[in-house]
Amino acid sequence: RKEVEQDPGPFNVPEGATVAFNCTYSNSASQSFFWYRQDCRKEPKLLMSVYSSGNEDGRFTAQLNRASQYISLLIRDSKLSDSATYLCVVRNTNAGKSTFGDGTTLTVKP
Amino acid sequence: DAGVTQSPTHLIKTRGQHVTLRCSPISGHKSVSWYQQVLGQGPQFIFQYYEKEERGRGNFPDRFSARQFPNYSSELNVNALLLGDSALYLCASSPPRGREETQYFGPGTRLLVL
Repeated sequence: RKEVEQDPGPFNVPEGATVAFNCTYSNSASQSFFWYRQDCRKEPKLLMSVYSSGNEDGRFTAQLNRASQYISLLIRDSKLSDSATYLCVVRNTNAGKSTFGDGTTLTVKP
Repeated sequence: DAGVTQSPTHLIKTRGQHVTLRCSPISGHKSVSWYQQVLGQGPQFIFQYYEKEERGRGNFPDRFSARQFPNYSSELNVNALLLGDSALYLCASSPPRGREETQYFGPGTRLLVL
């Protein structure tokens, strides 16, 4: 079993749709949590950090449930430009290690 | 401000050769991490360096080594290349201690081993 598991996808949605991605992690020592976005043949870019209280950045909302070791990302009012692969990341700062999921691919269609 | 830079952008090697990849972090960042990303998978952690010392190591063979220089730039070395080493190699830098969780990635080096 992988340390970080994500919905396999792909997700194909129309513009304006709401889409949710899920992620589970197995290492309870994980301390920090992130969502990254990766466009085709580009480097990952930080989308947002994830906090236990939940956090929102415009159309994006992230949630963390430490007890269930579960992370989510909600995208509202999807835009064509949201098409990308979304990577869930958990970090153990003490071990100096970030573990990435394999990503979920989103395609937003007109 | 310049982001993380990596060189070369692309590289073709043959089995058994060695390769050196280079990374310059964002100015003021003291932590550098290296990742390997094969097609269809997420980046896999190789090493983290902070203040020129190894802080973390992933599950990679001893053929992989790295170092960090006084100016915080870093090199990743891979010896005795295998076909399976073909991948995108990503470098990421992090802000000074206290906010080091956030990582900023460079554009990567695409390595093809024939």
